[in-house]
Amino acid sequence: GAGVSQSPRYKVTKRGQDVTLRCDPISSHATLYWYQQALGQGPEFLTYFNYEAQPDKSGLPSDRFSAERPEGSISTLTIQRTEQRDSAMYRCASSLDRVSDEQFFGPGTRLTVL
Amino acid sequence: AQTVTQSQPEMSVQEAETVTLSCTYDTSENNYYLFWYKQPPSRQMILVIRQEAYKQQNATENRFSVNFQKAAKSFSLKISDSQLGDTAMYFCALHQGGKLIFGQGTELSVKP
Repeated sequence: GAGVSQSPRYKVTKRGQDVTLRCDPISSHATLYWYQQALGQGPEFLTYFNYEAQPDKSGLPSDRFSAERPEGSISTLTIQRTEQRDSAMYRCASSLDRVSDEQFFGPGTRLTVL
Repeated sequence: AQTVTQSQPEMSVQEAETVTLSCTYDTSENNYYLFWYKQPPSRQMILVIRQEAYKQQNATENRFSVNFQKAAKSFSLKISDSQLGDTAMYFCALHQGGKLIFGQGTELSVKP
């Protein structure tokens, strides 16, 4: 696609529910990143994919967080048993490859856990 | 550990004037990239300017320029002829090992 897209743009859920967020990167981009941005803070790295491979999961806050990119294009981020502290903007970005420095960001999904 | 620090949580400037946003970082690597991103009220992340660490020349993009001091690990953003549309949160970021490390941000208000 022309840019990085994410869905849904807004998600409100109740504590304890599972949520899945979707990212559709730029079609020619091999590398895809997930970031979490709390209100008033800068984005923080969660994980990234190089095609289907997920070499770095070091930023995932807990085992309730998981991400997939099974066919090397669209990716999902799943948060199980959501907690109020998971409320944040979740941003996806993609780049041509891992070496390429420029990452293009999607509009983000704002998650609110009640 | 890699860190990025923006010591100015908020700044304001009069329209048409110049403002400088500060950023310092820490890394043990010699090759890396630095960025300034703009986040307007829409909360989109917009790349403003980038700097390769191996280049001594400071990057410039129209009204935006940087002062990159590699030895001091300083990377400030200068906005000339400020416009109302420059009102936004500005994030400094260090790119290393494939991931971006962001500072806490500086909220810039341009006043008419």
